[in-house]
Order: sequence, then C-alpha cells, then structure tokens
Amino acid sequence: QSVLTQPPSVSGAPGQSVTISCTGSSSNIGAGYDVHWYRQLPGTAPKLLIYGNINRPSGVPDRFSGSKSGTSASLAITGLQPEDEADYYCQSYDSSLSGPYVFGTGTKVTVL
Amino acid sequence: QVQLVESGGGLVKPGGSLRLSCAASGITFSDYYMSWIRQAPGKGLEWVSYISSSGSGSNTYYAGSVEGRFTISRDNAKNSLYLQMNSLRAEDTAVYYCATKGGGDYFDFWGQGTLVTVSS
Repeated sequence: QSVLTQPPSVSGAPGQSVTISCTGSSSNIGAGYDVHWYRQLPGTAPKLLIYGNINRPSGVPDRFSGSKSGTSASLAITGLQPEDEADYYCQSYDSSLSGPYVFGTGTKVTVL
Repeated sequence: QVQLVESGGGLVKPGGSLRLSCAASGITFSDYYMSWIRQAPGKGLEWVSYISSSGSGSNTYYAGSVEGRFTISRDNAKNSLYLQMNSLRAEDTAVYYCATKGGGDYFDFWGQGTLVTVSS
C-alpha cells in the first residue's frame, strides 16, 4: 500500500557513501509536496532525520543530506558508520485517496 | 524534553476492541496536531489517523483501511491522545506509534510504540 518506492537495501563499507532513492508520483512528490526522512534503528521507534527535503533537525550530523527533483527524492549518507545500519523511510503528503500522509517502502542500510 | 508514552496494546480476538493511549509531556499538548502511525511485524510504516490541535477545531482524519472502525480523540487536560479500535482484524496487528506533527507535514517526535495483536 506504500505509494513511495525505495530500494529494499543498500550497503557500503565504513567511510563510504550511500544514496537512497524515493520515487513518487504526480499526487505527492511531483505535486511539490515536501519529502521527509526517518531512521529506524533495530527495535526502536522511527526518528526524524530530514524534514522539508533538505533540513536536519538539531543533533543530526551533516553526514546526512536530502534532495528532491521532479517526482523523486534522495537521502545521501556520507562517511558511513556502523551505527548507520538501520531502516530508512521517506514520507510525503499525497493528495489522492492514498493520503494524506504516505511513507516509502523502506530501505535497509547495511554497513559491511 | 518531549516524551510520548503509548499504552493499551495487547492480544485481542478478531472482531474485538481495544483502546490505546498516548501520554505526552514536554510540549504544550493542546497546540499540536497528533497522529497514530502503525507498523505491521517486519513491514513498513502506515499512517493511521490524525487529530488537529484544539485551536484548529480538533478535526479528525483516517486512513481508508481504518475509517469507520477506529476513532481518534484527545484530552488536553490530561495531555493524552487516544485511539479507540473496534471490529479489529488480523491485518490490524502492528506496533502503534503516536507522533507529533511538526511545522510541516512531517512527524517530529514519536513514542516507543505499543503492540496490538489480533488473533484467535
């Protein structure tokens, strides 16, 4: 039922960079609605990582950055650390019957 | 600091009812839109419902999958959010999180979640 599509998994060695994509449609990301990102460590609640496409809440390191273009958005993680191993979800607003708030399918980041 | 603590989860038979609670602290609760978001075991996140702030009329909205079965409410005097769940189905089995809605359409603070299991 997720209307935002993410790759199931990405991986990288410590210190490397990874990018997670989030593909939507004309009723959500493509309509100009903002994209937000959450990180969910194993066994814990999701935590806001990026809001308004590019903004980091206080305390989130600048290794995390977001971008948006057209009907897609991306989350980049640079300088991968072992503690970055988690599930990551994008989220946006949707003007169709799927909405109003829709999440991505989720991406598991593995630090090799 | 902001703290959201859910309670009320448990095992219930199909067709049964359950009421979840979320106690908030560290925020002016009445000023916040509040949401329930759930996560089925091993699955992704699904928004369930929201209730607007008191100043915005405490309007409610539901996902199609729970419309007519779930009711969200708030008691600002008790800094508490509730979710009354009726006619529960196996597919409602999930961890239910309460969350505050930030200045935009995002969720800035989350509780630790409470597990609801619907099974005979």
